[in-house]
Amino acid sequence: GNSVTQMEGPVTLSEEAFLTINCTYTATGYPSLFWYVQYPGEGLQLLLKATKADDKGSNKGFEATYRKETTSFHLEKGSVQVSDSAVYFCALITGTSYGKLTFGQGTILTVHP
Amino acid sequence: DAGITQSPRHKVTETGTPVTLRCHQTENHRYMYWYRQDPGHGLRLIHYSYGVKDTDKGEVSDGYSVSRSKTEDFLLTLESATSSQTSVYFCAISESGGTGAYEQYFGPGTRLTVT
Repeated sequence: GNSVTQMEGPVTLSEEAFLTINCTYTATGYPSLFWYVQYPGEGLQLLLKATKADDKGSNKGFEATYRKETTSFHLEKGSVQVSDSAVYFCALITGTSYGKLTFGQGTILTVHP
Repeated sequence: DAGITQSPRHKVTETGTPVTLRCHQTENHRYMYWYRQDPGHGLRLIHYSYGVKDTDKGEVSDGYSVSRSKTEDFLLTLESATSSQTSVYFCAISESGGTGAYEQYFGPGTRLTVT
């Protein structure tokens, strides 16, 4: 089956620090990979995605590269802001799964001024 | 923003009572999903629908049922609520069920407390 493992949180950083949140996966078939973000009190929003190996998804200064050889999709940002404080979810979908997303457990990020 | 609403947004109910949560979309998307969010578990799929009257179970479907009589509405029912069903419930929609340009849009969530 499909599974996603994220690094344990919570992660606490100072503003302008570098961020990495690790994500690894196992999948039957060829997955597409996603990062979702959940701000306090809200639903999930798609942050970025990648659909094939070596693709780089990017949005709002966040980046993640689809690494098939290491089955990873780590999220990075060069300089975080207080407004990036949220919960981040790595997720995947395979083509035979009726669009069902498999999520990691989520990583809480807190950025201090 | 995708047009997805959930009702109610908050509910407190007693053990053993039936509860129905509603998800309504204005996007005419074919696929709809119900997830629950619990600390340490991320989001887990309860049930999903791939068309009107077409539904199937997800990974945590025990104690839940769903119905979809119209494209725009997807109902989640807890027949007899238990404390283990205290959670935040999210509805999501997608236009396609495949990969590629696929994207899934989420509603604002319903916080359910079973006492």
